[in-house]
Amino acid sequence: AQSVAQPEDQVNVAEGNPLTVKCTYSVSGNPYLFWYVQYPNRGLQFLLKYITGDNLVKGSYGFEAEFNKSQTSFHLKKPSALVSDSALYFCAVNPGAGSYQLTFGKGTKLSVIP
Amino acid sequence: DSGVTQTPKHLITATGQRVTLRCSPRSGDLSVYWYQQSLDQGLQFLIQYYNGEERAKGNILERFSAQQFPDLHSELNLSSLELGDSALYFCASSVAVAGVYEQYFGPGTRLTVT
Repeated sequence: AQSVAQPEDQVNVAEGNPLTVKCTYSVSGNPYLFWYVQYPNRGLQFLLKYITGDNLVKGSYGFEAEFNKSQTSFHLKKPSALVSDSALYFCAVNPGAGSYQLTFGKGTKLSVIP
Repeated sequence: DSGVTQTPKHLITATGQRVTLRCSPRSGDLSVYWYQQSLDQGLQFLIQYYNGEERAKGNILERFSAQQFPDLHSELNLSSLELGDSALYFCASSVAVAGVYEQYFGPGTRLTVT
């Protein structure tokens, strides 16, 4: 069975500084990996995904994520944080091979301090 | 706006009662997923339907049931409600992009059981 770990419940970063939200996964085979963002009182919004190819994936709102197969990680990054990036971020894994299902991590609350 | 709609937005009910949550997927999406989000359990996959048939089951209680109708909308029925059922319930629908199923989430229904 697949699993996702987001080791930090909360990440605080100053506005303008780079940010990283960590995610590691456990799944057999070649997974598909996703990041979603949830703003207060809203549903989850798709940010980006990794399927295959280039390990650095670019997504919405200036976010990118780096896939590292040897470390089974898929960390979310942004070069310069904005206050409006403050939200709850979820990493998710799909085991691939035609599977419909996503397994989510517990989420990381990102707070960008002005 | 993801194109997935959910009603009602908020629901307050008493223990022991039964409620029905409704979801309309994005136009053309055949799959509907239900998730429960609570503070202590995070985002939990409940059940998936594909074109009217149950496709996958997650951590769904026996007191809960769902169905997908011919017009593809879905309903999640929660019965014999307990205080611990208070949570945000999300519906998502999916579309295959290059063979990978991306899920798009509705705004959620916040259920409060008193």
